[in-house]
Amino acid sequence: SQQGEEDPQALSIQEGENATMNCSYKTSINNLQWYRQNSGRGLVHLILIRSNEREKHSGRLRVTLDTSKKSSSLLITASRAADTASYFCAVTGGFKTIFGAGTRLFVKA
Amino acid sequence: GAVVSQHPSRVICKSGTSVKIECRSLDFQATTMFWYRQFPKQSLMLMATSNEGSKATYEQGVEKDKFLINHASLTLSTLTVTSAHPEDSSFYICSARVGDRGRATNEKLFFGSGTQLSVL
Repeated sequence: SQQGEEDPQALSIQEGENATMNCSYKTSINNLQWYRQNSGRGLVHLILIRSNEREKHSGRLRVTLDTSKKSSSLLITASRAADTASYFCAVTGGFKTIFGAGTRLFVKA
Repeated sequence: GAVVSQHPSRVICKSGTSVKIECRSLDFQATTMFWYRQFPKQSLMLMATSNEGSKATYEQGVEKDKFLINHASLTLSTLTVTSAHPEDSSFYICSARVGDRGRATNEKLFFGSGTQLSVL
């Protein structure tokens, strides 16, 4: 069963605005990852944050992790039309990686 | 970065036929690969863990006789959808971890580009 739950399910913003997506999970984890998927394609890894980390940055991406609340957020700053995609959080506990429901982001030019 | 190649990208077949999907790690060895299934606008559901040289581990509710997985080498895993029916129509994606030696790791997954299966 899925361990990650995300909100919002869909998000529509203007180019240049920031986009924030949230993820909650249920069990203990080794790490939490964020992936991006363009329609009908495979997933691309964006960023990984380990369970002992609280915040991580990569370019325009900022990820936070709160293990006490079992939640994470992905912030995309200064969004671009090319950021339009679905974004998934994924948690690894043990050996398997389980994905959340995903947020569909649409960035209007 | 590591490359995972998946073929075919799209397949249309008649009900009752079997379809084989291949997943190859091109520049690394993967003792374990993962097979996911995705319905439109939904998340990825883990179907099974493919282990090189041994039987696959299936998730609860996934029929092992329906979805045959073979991991005959360190770079190739195949998923065969046997006697496919329209309800099997879905997007199937494989993935692997670099540096996977059959033990739990913290490393990221590399994905194939997926296979869109349509069963008529």
